[in-house]
Order: sequence, then structure tokens, then C-alpha cells
Amino acid sequence: EAQVTQNPRYLITVTGKKLTVTCSQNMNHEYMSWYRQDPGLGLRQIYYSMNVEVTDKGDVPEGYKVSRKEKRNFPLILESPSPNQTSLYFCASSLSRAGDEQYFGPGTRLTVT
Amino acid sequence: QKEVEQNSGPLSVPEGAIASLNCTYSDRGSQSFFWYRQYSGKSPELIMSIYSNGDKEDGRFTAQLNKASQYVSLLIRDSQPSDSATYLCAAHDYKLSFGAGTTVTVRA
Repeated sequence: EAQVTQNPRYLITVTGKKLTVTCSQNMNHEYMSWYRQDPGLGLRQIYYSMNVEVTDKGDVPEGYKVSRKEKRNFPLILESPSPNQTSLYFCASSLSRAGDEQYFGPGTRLTVT
Repeated sequence: QKEVEQNSGPLSVPEGAIASLNCTYSDRGSQSFFWYRQYSGKSPELIMSIYSNGDKEDGRFTAQLNKASQYVSLLIRDSQPSDSATYLCAAHDYKLSFGAGTTVTVRA
């Protein structure tokens, strides 16, 4: 089954404790991205990747890191999480660019206390 | 000004009625437009894409695009309770920008 997976689905952590949210897709998509979704603000892009070893900032990259060492994986790293990063996070992939249909993962609900 | 703005809702319509969702965008370079549906607690899924001016129909859904007015709309005909969800409008130029979404409730 074609899908985007994310882990963990739910995470409660404390300020400053490094964490990684994994994302993997099995559709051989080139384009992958991370979004955060907050009430009233919609989906905002954090980082995106056009292909292996090619990443770039989205609209809200501060406090996040990403890497793309393999085509299928695109982990999101929070080196020192803060409460304002409490949000619902979605990983998405598409065939080759942002304008293609985005396939979203199930979401990760992160709470930073 | 947000790049993509949607009527905030929530929108409540009776079963069988037409739900009308509106979206405006600020980037005149946007070429592709999308409507995603997001059920509560779930991830967004694409329901319509539109690239040229005019109407595009897919089953009970019709997307309308007017690039001169920078306006995109989605009509849901014969609304069903299963259409109750948040609808996200998105516009693509060099990046994909989403609106905040309009929540639709179809009451039986």
C-alpha cells in the first residue's frame, strides 16, 4: 500500500530535550516536506526537500532541522524543543514538486511542556 | 496579508443542499490550485485540482477558478453528512501555500 508513515504519532516532552520525528514514504517520491498545523493558521511549511541531500527552508524553519540521506526518509529534528513548538506535524511527499498532489502522513501531535 | 485566505466558517448546511466555499490568493504568479479535505483528527487528502480559468467538475464537487480576480471556489452539491470536514484551499507558484481552512458541517 502506497503510504507516508510518521513516528511517533503522539509525543509529550519537556523543554530542551532533543527529539526526532521520523517520516518515510514508499512511493519513490522525490519531493518531501514537513508542515505544522495550528488552529487559525492552517498548514505552514517548515522544510522541504527536492531530492536526496537537497533541503531548503520553508516558511517557519526556526528551531527545526531536517536531513535527506535516503530518498524514502525525511526526519524532522528538534534540537531544543520549546513550548511554542507544540503543534500537529505532518510529513508529506509528492512525485517531483510542491505543485504535485501531496500525500500526507497521519500526523504527529507534539506537546512541549 | 495571508497568501491564501478562506472564509472562516464554520459553514452549516442541511443535507442535500449546496455548500459553497471561497478562497482568495495574493500571489498573481500562482498557477495551480487545490482543494484538500481534512476530517477531524486525520490528515489532508486531495479532492480537486484546477489549473485554468473556469469550472472543473468531479462528481458532486465543482471547482471554479478566476485568475483575474484571484479567486477559487469549491461547490459541494447534494451535501452528505460524510462531507462534514475542514476544507483547505492551496495555491502553488514556486511553493505551495495553504489557507487556514473552512469547517463544513452537514446536518441531517
